[in-house]
Amino acid sequence: DQQVKQNSPSLSVQEGRISILNCDYTNSMFDYFLWYKKYPAEGPTFLISISSIKDKNEDGRFTVFLNKSAKHLSLHIVPSQPGDSAVYFCAATAAGGTSYGKLTFGQGTILTVHP
Amino acid sequence: GAGVSQTPSNKVTEKGKYVELRCDPISGHTALYWYRQSLGQGPEFLIYFQGTGAADDSGLPNDRFFAVRPEGSVSTLKIQRTERGDSAVYLCASSPRTSDTGELFFGEGSRLTVL
Repeated sequence: DQQVKQNSPSLSVQEGRISILNCDYTNSMFDYFLWYKKYPAEGPTFLISISSIKDKNEDGRFTVFLNKSAKHLSLHIVPSQPGDSAVYFCAATAAGGTSYGKLTFGQGTILTVHP
Repeated sequence: GAGVSQTPSNKVTEKGKYVELRCDPISGHTALYWYRQSLGQGPEFLIYFQGTGAADDSGLPNDRFFAVRPEGSVSTLKIQRTERGDSAVYLCASSPRTSDTGELFFGEGSRLTVL
């Protein structure tokens, strides 16, 4: 039972263009969502998060959009840079619970940004 | 360094053997998490400690898996009678008790291979 799904295993984008990574979830109890980035042989690093009381959160080149009715979120990277090439994981949690760090991750999307 | 430290970085063992994986969290972080990442998948929650006690161990797959954090700092994940299906990267993460972003700080992981 995959509660968080990233249906695109990979995405290839030209440097300077927009990268859009998508994520769907099924569990209505999730109320906090995060994106992590992972380089080979390293642990995941936090990128950006959003609470379910918001529909958008922006941090520099990164913006996360949340559509609660569709149970869908997306990460926009503008402009994309070759250093953004990595695996991106969407994650969700029920932050109001006692284990807010108990994250449910998607399968990941490999982003490749070509110079 | 100041990050989460995991040892060993690589462990190769034979089926049926006992394995211990160690995690040294960021100093001052009270929350500690273990995740497991299989090939091509996102990290999967195993167990969460708040201080010395396991606040949530619902992700441990069976009773061959056990984790301790006796002094509220370093944690050890113990796997008895290892099976080939246990092969994965075991990730440890820590966080302060409260966080504005819900961010977890991950280590680089311990890659376990069971032959």
